[in-house]
Amino acid sequence: KNQVEQSPQSLIILEGKNCTLQCNYTVSPFSNLRWYKQDTGRGPVSLTIMTFSENTKSNGRYTATLDADTKQSSLHITASQLSDSASYICVVGGSSGGSYIPTFGRGTSLIVHP
Amino acid sequence: NAGVTQTPKFRVLKTGQSMTLLCAQDMNHEYMYWYRQDPGMGLRLIHYSVGEGTTAKGEVPDGYNVSRLKKQNFLLGLESAAPSQTSVYFCASSLTSGGSYEQYFGPGTRLTVT
Repeated sequence: KNQVEQSPQSLIILEGKNCTLQCNYTVSPFSNLRWYKQDTGRGPVSLTIMTFSENTKSNGRYTATLDADTKQSSLHITASQLSDSASYICVVGGSSGGSYIPTFGRGTSLIVHP
Repeated sequence: NAGVTQTPKFRVLKTGQSMTLLCAQDMNHEYMYWYRQDPGMGLRLIHYSVGEGTTAKGEVPDGYNVSRLKKQNFLLGLESAAPSQTSVYFCASSLTSGGSYEQYFGPGTRLTVT
């Protein structure tokens, strides 16, 4: 069964600090890996997308890495801001009958304190 | 360009009642998806559509039906609501399948079944 595990479940950091979120997956066949940010009461918004051949992707203060051999990904947030407080969701795309079927992690809840 | 919109934003149903959730996108996307999000769990795929007139089952399709009569609209129906269907429902769309194509999410519909 395809699974995506994220850690930690929740994280509290001070404004201005860096943090790293982890994602381990067992999805086959692998298509891509995405990180989303979901603010409370809103739909998820994409931060990065990586395919099998990519091992790093940046979007401003967000940098995602992918190790396809160990099936691990991380999302690094630099110089955190209060607006970074949100749930961060790792999504790994597989396929079924030729169609793209994503498997979602449960998310890491990040709280940034002033 | 409104992106993905969902109607209604909130709804309370009694057990056994029926309702339809409407998802609309103005990006000319081929693929559309319905997810549910429950506390402590990742988003789970209910049904999806790869084009006008086609639908397919996702991970948790029981108790739901869908229709895609027009390319821009994807309807999710509950024929006989149950308390287990209390959840937040998200619609998403993408240009095509997998790869590096972005999934865009709507704002969500919060449904409570009493």
